[in-house]
Amino acid sequence: NAGVTQTPKFRVLKTGQSMTLLCAQDMNHEYMYWYRQDPGMGLRLIHYSVGEGTTAKGEVPDGYNVSRLKKQNFLLGLESAAPSQTSVYFCASCRLAGGPEQFFGPGTRLTVL
Amino acid sequence: GDSVTQMEGPVTLSEEAFLTINCTYTATGYPSLFWYVQYPGEGLQLLLKATKADDKGSNKGFEATYRKETTSFHLEKGSVQVSDSAVYFCALSESSSNFGNEKLTFGTGTRLTIIP
Repeated sequence: NAGVTQTPKFRVLKTGQSMTLLCAQDMNHEYMYWYRQDPGMGLRLIHYSVGEGTTAKGEVPDGYNVSRLKKQNFLLGLESAAPSQTSVYFCASCRLAGGPEQFFGPGTRLTVL
Repeated sequence: GDSVTQMEGPVTLSEEAFLTINCTYTATGYPSLFWYVQYPGEGLQLLLKATKADDKGSNKGFEATYRKETTSFHLEKGSVQVSDSAVYFCALSESSSNFGNEKLTFGTGTRLTIIP
């Protein structure tokens, strides 16, 4: 039981490049979330999903897209990376009717030059 | 909207000292409250939680009591260890009968360093 895993762990992009971050969970959780963590700002919600095939915007969705084609996977895409997207990205999942406790992945550190 | 305000860090303590990290919140309903901990290079882990007023969450020697009258959820530990060095986040989740709204609002985090 790996819990929540994220791929890749580190990435460096040039401005304008695109990439996809993958989050996978093996706990059969219905809800999944993408956060970004920046110094002095805590975690901010980018997008979330309440089930396969559904996504919704969080607090800071601009510049990101997401997809949840399979229940266990939640993808975060950057179509045209900008230096302001340099951050640590965390994925989390949560079980329906299990209360709001979220389980987090180890994070992806992204640097955009 | 909902918000969480927690004590700014960094906080540096000697081993076996008493720890308090303050957390207050603003919410329109009846939130659940959490403390998450982030060890270096890792993701966040749930440390403890409380789901209603006067509940006390506890784990690994840490405690926090849900105080509705003061809208607070302060984290305490009687005797800290070097291994407690981490970043601590206070968070809330608004109670909702409409499942699908289990979003967490986080404080900015408090970095704690314990020196031997």
